[in-house]
Amino acid sequence: AQSVTQLDSHVSVSEGTPVLLRCNYSSSYSPSLFWYVQHPNKGLQLLLKYTSAATLVKGINGFEAEFKKSETSFHLTKPSAHMSDAAEYFCVRILTGNQFYFGTGTSLTVIP
Amino acid sequence: EAGVVQSPRYKIIEKKQPVAFWCNPISGHNTLYWYLQNLGQGPELLIRYENEEAVDDSQLPKDRFSAERLKGVDSTLKIQPAELGDSAVYLCASSLDASSYNEQFFGPGTRLTVL
Repeated sequence: AQSVTQLDSHVSVSEGTPVLLRCNYSSSYSPSLFWYVQHPNKGLQLLLKYTSAATLVKGINGFEAEFKKSETSFHLTKPSAHMSDAAEYFCVRILTGNQFYFGTGTSLTVIP
Repeated sequence: EAGVVQSPRYKIIEKKQPVAFWCNPISGHNTLYWYLQNLGQGPELLIRYENEEAVDDSQLPKDRFSAERLKGVDSTLKIQPAELGDSAVYLCASSLDASSYNEQFFGPGTRLTVL
C-alpha cells in the first residue's frame, strides 16, 4: 500500500534544542509529501511541501524537511524549538486527485 | 480573509439521535472535503466535492451518514442515527480545485461526543 509512517507518536525536546520528527514513505516512485501542524483547537496548517523539485524544502516558522529517496524518508527538522511549536504534526502523502493520506501524527512537547 | 468555518465546535448527543455539521469553505474554493479524525489518529477522508458534485464518497458509511453541498458552496454532513463509535472530530477542508499538490485549508473541526 502507498502510505506514510510516522515513527514516533510522541517527541519531547527542551526549548532551544533541535527538533526531529520522522516520516518514512513506502513507494516505488518519488511521492509528493507535505507536513501539516495541528495546534489545539485550531485547524490543520500547512508547514511545507515536497513535489519533486528541490529535495530540501523550507517551510514556515523555521521548519524544513529533506526528501531522501535512498532512505525513503521526509523528516521534519527545526534547529531550535520554541514553546509555541508544541502541537501535533502530520506527514501527508498526496495521491491522485489531490487525495491526502495522513500519517498517525507525532505529538511534540517542548519543555521550558 | 476568513478561513474555513465550521459549526458547531462541540456537540454532545445521546446515541440514536441525529446530528448535523455545517461547513463554509474559503470563498472561491471549488473543492470541499469532509474528514473524520479519531483520537490519536490522522484525519481520514469521508467525502470530496467538486462544486456540488460528490466525486469521492467511497469511505462514507452511507447507511447512516449523508452529505450535501447545495449550490457548490456550504456543505452539511449528517449522521442519523449516531452511534457511540461516531465520537470523533469532524473536519472540513477546502482547496481551489482538485489539482494535485494544492494546499487544503482546514477548519477547526466539530468535536462530537455520543453518549
